[in-house]
Amino acid sequence: GQNIDQPTEMTATEGAIVQINCTYQTSGFNGLFWYQQHAGEAPTFLSYNVLDGLEEKGRFSSFLSRSKGYSYLLLKELQMKDSASYLCAVMDSNYQLIWGAGTKLIIKP
Amino acid sequence: SQTIHQWPATLVQPVGSPLSLECTVEGTSNPNLYWYRQAAGRGLQLLFYSVGIGQISSEVPQNLSASRPQDRQFILSSKKLLLSDSGFYLCAWSEKNRDFGELFFGEGSRLTVL
Repeated sequence: GQNIDQPTEMTATEGAIVQINCTYQTSGFNGLFWYQQHAGEAPTFLSYNVLDGLEEKGRFSSFLSRSKGYSYLLLKELQMKDSASYLCAVMDSNYQLIWGAGTKLIIKP
Repeated sequence: SQTIHQWPATLVQPVGSPLSLECTVEGTSNPNLYWYRQAAGRGLQLLFYSVGIGQISSEVPQNLSASRPQDRQFILSSKKLLLSDSGFYLCAWSEKNRDFGELFFGEGSRLTVL
């Protein structure tokens, strides 16, 4: 079966750095997405990786290793507004998105 | 710019009652449209997707149905709700013919079945 694993919850301090990991086992691979979802709101797109390596976008970076079935989202200079759930999703060989359950990130002052 | 809107935002329905959630997209044409359900502690579950008017693919057999009467309108329905239908429902769209299928989500509809 297809599976996406990410930690259920993480806590970090304002101004610090946090890394959210995602491992996957899917039927084929056509890219990995990270979305941010604030409580009670819709997910919004953060990043897309299809090749190995690091993609940087401001305070957020996303890394992919296809051989290891592994990705992480790195958030730097954490702000209180970064408190949200972070969803990892993989597009399989049928171009269908397989979603992880999300990681709830709690930022403390 | 493109926008997506779904309604109602919140509804409480008794078991056995009908359901209709509506979603519209503006600022684009011929989008791919999706209905997802999000249950607490679980990943987004794709319910239906549509690549064009009248073309609906169902991913999960259940008492829900979807229709696309117009290019940018997507409706999720049920004739008789079950308790298990409670959840957060999200409509989304994506562009065709892009390198990757970034999804744009509506605001969500929280359904509680009592």
